[in-house]
Amino acid sequence: SAVISQKPSRDICQRGTSLTIQCQVDSQVTMMFWYRQQPGQSLTLIATANQGSEATYESGFVIDKFPISRPNLTFSTLTVSNMSPEDSSIYLCSVTRDRGYNEQFFGPGTRLTVL
Amino acid sequence: AQSVAQPEDQVNVAEGNPLTVKCTYSVSGNPYLFWYVQYPNRGLQFLLKYITGDNLVKGSYGFEAEFNKSQTSFHLKKPSALVSDSALYFCAVRDPGNTGKLIFGQGTTLQVKP
Repeated sequence: SAVISQKPSRDICQRGTSLTIQCQVDSQVTMMFWYRQQPGQSLTLIATANQGSEATYESGFVIDKFPISRPNLTFSTLTVSNMSPEDSSIYLCSVTRDRGYNEQFFGPGTRLTVL
Repeated sequence: AQSVAQPEDQVNVAEGNPLTVKCTYSVSGNPYLFWYVQYPNRGLQFLLKYITGDNLVKGSYGFEAEFNKSQTSFHLKKPSALVSDSALYFCAVRDPGNTGKLIFGQGTTLQVKP
């Protein structure tokens, strides 16, 4: 398994501001992902965080809105830029030690409310 | 396109009764299937997986799941439900290819009443 921490656990932000969420894993992992879970909804993949290179974004998500960094094999950040109330969601980091052939492990999530 | 369907938004069972949470999938190639549980204000916890082998997979907290290739289903089951099993359950399938991505169903809320 993997122990994953996320900071902050929750935040309330004003429209137009940006928030950076951190994801830290207790050991090296192959892949790291960022998901969004809107209220009452399922999980939607935002992007795959690639170590040392630009993230791979899913359809509907762009780097200017959700810049991602992954400087090493245990740490990643997701920034939610120029926030609007529609960005109010839970943001989850997940990791896998292989290319998803076994289970992914999820962080506790960051609950974001945008006013 | 790959997809996962959980046809029930909510399942209600009485404590002590068996429970089933349904999941069907559509994926090219061999499926890698997973069940996760989410308790309020928590992240997702892994319950069990099917990769290959026996069609009946046993997982955490007494849960099991039955893989049925002909029906493309992977239903989650438990012989005797507990009130503490009340949570949101997600079925997921690994996206084919080398991306490692998971595709999630819409989730099913399980309510176990005493």
